[in-house]
Amino acid sequence: GIQVEQSPPDLILQEGANSTLRCNFSDSVNNLQWFHQNPWGQLINLFYIPSGTKQNGRLSATTVATERYSLLYISSSQTTDSGVYFCAVDEGSSGSRLTFGEGTQLTVNP
Amino acid sequence: GAVVSQHPSRVICKSGTSVKIECRSLDFQATTMFWYRQFPKKSLMLMATSNEGSKATYEQGVEKDKFLINHASLTLSTLTVTSAHPEDSSFYICSAPRTGSGELFFGEGSRLTVL
Repeated sequence: GIQVEQSPPDLILQEGANSTLRCNFSDSVNNLQWFHQNPWGQLINLFYIPSGTKQNGRLSATTVATERYSLLYISSSQTTDSGVYFCAVDEGSSGSRLTFGEGTQLTVNP
Repeated sequence: GAVVSQHPSRVICKSGTSVKIECRSLDFQATTMFWYRQFPKKSLMLMATSNEGSKATYEQGVEKDKFLINHASLTLSTLTVTSAHPEDSSFYICSAPRTGSGELFFGEGSRLTVL
């Protein structure tokens, strides 16, 4: 099956700093999503981005499908950004059977 | 946006009992839903694909007799952990793709503790 690698595994920032999270995948994909898992376990949809670039407030994401990677940018980080960020991909035709990476644990200190 | 709801959010049970977890799509119909399991500090692992009107498809290594899945309607899938043991303690999360889109939305998750 498809392999998904996320880096870095852990990231500690001071409030206000910017960061880039990376997701590499081993095969072509029909779906790529970024999620933020909050301390209660809920997965919050950040981006549905099989290709291209999207922005939502302080967050943006870019997927370069031909080179099999995606980047999540967090600007002006806040303590509420803390949590685990997951990248998940699907290579199948439905695009919904997601394989998750191991996640990046982000801690933003005040 | 699309909403998927799970119930219960937390459940504690004794060994040997069965526990049912419900997953509902609130504002769209889902012919397919997915059940994931997550261990502490770990990633999500796909357990099975729930199909409305037919049998669920289980991932390799997942015991179908232990984890019974029923997709009773276009908005409801249930996961029953049968004869639960302490090693079944985990965080179970369901998901569904929004109609017409491949984007997957997740429920709040259900934390199961088996004593």
